[in-house]
Amino acid sequence: GENVEQHPSTLSVQEGDSAVIKCTYSDSASNYFPWYKQELGKRPQLIIDIRSNVGEKKDQRIAVTLNKTAKHFSLHITETQPEDSAVYFCAPFGNYGQNFVFGPGTRLSVLP
Amino acid sequence: SQTIHQWPATLVQPVGSPLSLECTVEGTSNPNLYWYRQAAGRGLQLLFYSVGIGQISSEVPQNLSASRPQDRQFILSSKKLLLSDSGFYLCAWSEGRTGWGNEQFFGPGTRLTVL
Repeated sequence: GENVEQHPSTLSVQEGDSAVIKCTYSDSASNYFPWYKQELGKRPQLIIDIRSNVGEKKDQRIAVTLNKTAKHFSLHITETQPEDSAVYFCAPFGNYGQNFVFGPGTRLSVLP
Repeated sequence: SQTIHQWPATLVQPVGSPLSLECTVEGTSNPNLYWYRQAAGRGLQLLFYSVGIGQISSEVPQNLSASRPQDRQFILSSKKLLLSDSGFYLCAWSEGRTGWGNEQFFGPGTRLTVL
């Protein structure tokens, strides 16, 4: 099945700095690459996604880049704010099993 | 607009007791439905998913089962709970389109504690 890893597992940044989280996957047929944000005790919510025919997508302070050859995609957050503190999950959709596999998560702490 | 409901919000059950968690979706038809479990401080483990009424795929062998009696209703059950079943249970839905991933929308979750 699909193997999904995230790096780093924890990340602390100063407010205003940038944060980058990388997700690697094993299924070369994966075609959809979302990032979810989960605040403590809450449900995960999609913050940005990208499809396999696009290399980069940006939405205000958040961007996702995809490298299909190397089988990884990354979440970029610029000008971080305390409310960005949460756990972030990648969940590539793989054709094997026709389903999502969530990464283990990255805990981001933005220090004021 | 679409909404997803889960109940109960919290549940405390003794070991060996049965379980029934319910999830319903409004405002869409033929959704893909999912049950996930999340242990404290951990990631999401896919338990079951369904692409249609009566169609259930199990991802992890365990003492849990799922059923989809109606298009927008998904039920997670157990005949005898184990301590290891404690966790945060999340139901989710996505647009049903075979072979194509789409955004998943999560319910508010049920926090289950097995004592």
